[in-house]
Amino acid sequence: NAGVTQTPKFQVLKTGQSMTLQCAQDMNHEYMSWYRQDPGMGLRLIHYSVGAGITDQGEVPNGYNVSRSTTEDFPLRLLSAAPSQTSVYFCASSTGHPDTQYFGPGTRLTVL
Amino acid sequence: AQKITQTQPGMFVQEKEAVTLDCTYDTSDPSYGLFWYKQPSSGEMIFLIYQGSYDQQNATEGRYSLNFQKARKSANLVISASQLGDSAMYFCAMREGGGTSYGKLTFGQGTILTVHP
Repeated sequence: NAGVTQTPKFQVLKTGQSMTLQCAQDMNHEYMSWYRQDPGMGLRLIHYSVGAGITDQGEVPNGYNVSRSTTEDFPLRLLSAAPSQTSVYFCASSTGHPDTQYFGPGTRLTVL
Repeated sequence: AQKITQTQPGMFVQEKEAVTLDCTYDTSDPSYGLFWYKQPSSGEMIFLIYQGSYDQQNATEGRYSLNFQKARKSANLVISASQLGDSAMYFCAMREGGGTSYGKLTFGQGTILTVHP
């Protein structure tokens, strides 16, 4: 099993550009989540999904969209990138109890 | 109010000694889960240990144990026999609520642990 995979590993955008961060898992996990980690801080939840077709907002959803058309994939879309979105983005997946989340390797995004 | 508080920005420990990393949490929900993750300098997030709010015993996983004091709302991570490879950032996290909250973790600010030879 590859676990949770994320692409790209690194990305540089200009302000106003849009892009999609990809996340896929091959563990048949129901739950998937996106977090961002800013320097020296813990992770903050952006969006999450409890199954295909069901998504909801986390703590910091503004400027991001998600969809979940399959169990495996959970892409994160930046609509119009801003410098404040410079961060490391982690995707995670989990099954039911004890719902331990397993993380992808992260995407380091810089917005100029 | 902070849901998860890690009051130690940095900790130092001598190799082979034990170290405790503090974590306090705030929730009024009787059902919750507490997690510890390790983030080495390479950046990945590694799951270490889980404690459920209804678990009667403290969780243990190899050299890691969780000192769960429910009344005090603390969930401290104890690492026994520290190794140089334990040097990393450690995050405490909480899932507040039961099954309807799966997939939603709140993280603390983290503690940087440095193990000296």
